[in-house]
Amino acid sequence: DAGVTQTPRHEVAEKGQTIILKCEPVSGHNDLFWYRQTKIQGLELLSYFRSKSLMEDGGAFKDRFKAEMLNSSFSTLKIQPTEPKDSAVYLCASRGHFNERLFFGHGTKLSVL
Amino acid sequence: GDSVTQTEGPVTLSEGTSLTVNCSYETKQYPTLFWYVQYPGEGPQLLFKVPKANEKGSNRGFEATYNKEATSFHLQKASVQESDSAVYYCALSSDSNNRIFFGDGTQLVVKP
Repeated sequence: DAGVTQTPRHEVAEKGQTIILKCEPVSGHNDLFWYRQTKIQGLELLSYFRSKSLMEDGGAFKDRFKAEMLNSSFSTLKIQPTEPKDSAVYLCASRGHFNERLFFGHGTKLSVL
Repeated sequence: GDSVTQTEGPVTLSEGTSLTVNCSYETKQYPTLFWYVQYPGEGPQLLFKVPKANEKGSNRGFEATYNKEATSFHLQKASVQESDSAVYYCALSSDSNNRIFFGDGTQLVVKP
């Protein structure tokens, strides 16, 4: 059973660049989440999709962060323009139903110079 | 709104000692409760979940009881190993809005 696949594993960007992170959820899962993880803030929800519909778009992240779910098996997170404070690990997760476990990807470590 | 509060880390223990990580939650609904563990370089993974009040979950020697009256879900292990060093997250999944709420995570460091 394939898990959640995130690419790339590492990304280095210059301030002001546009970057796109990719996620393939577990096949058949209805829910997809994007999180930002830092040591200080922990896990912060960026976006939540249910059956490809955007259910929640983290308020503090709306201006430069945009997540899309192009089909049930692929999602992207665009950060435009990047800032040094965006340096973090970005995690994608999926689940089949609200009371089921989340499956996380390994994450993308983003460094913005 | 819903929320989860857990022991602030880091928690440093010697091998063979017991562990308790406190987790308290707030919700007006009927949540499913989870403990996740995260090792360096990986995403969080499920340790175990408990969907019903007053039931216990367990895995790899870790256990927690879903205490509805006390709104708690404390993680315990009788004897920790160095390989248990990781970050532990308490979480609840709400049946009313399908959201999942995570605590801030507790880093556990086990010294040999």
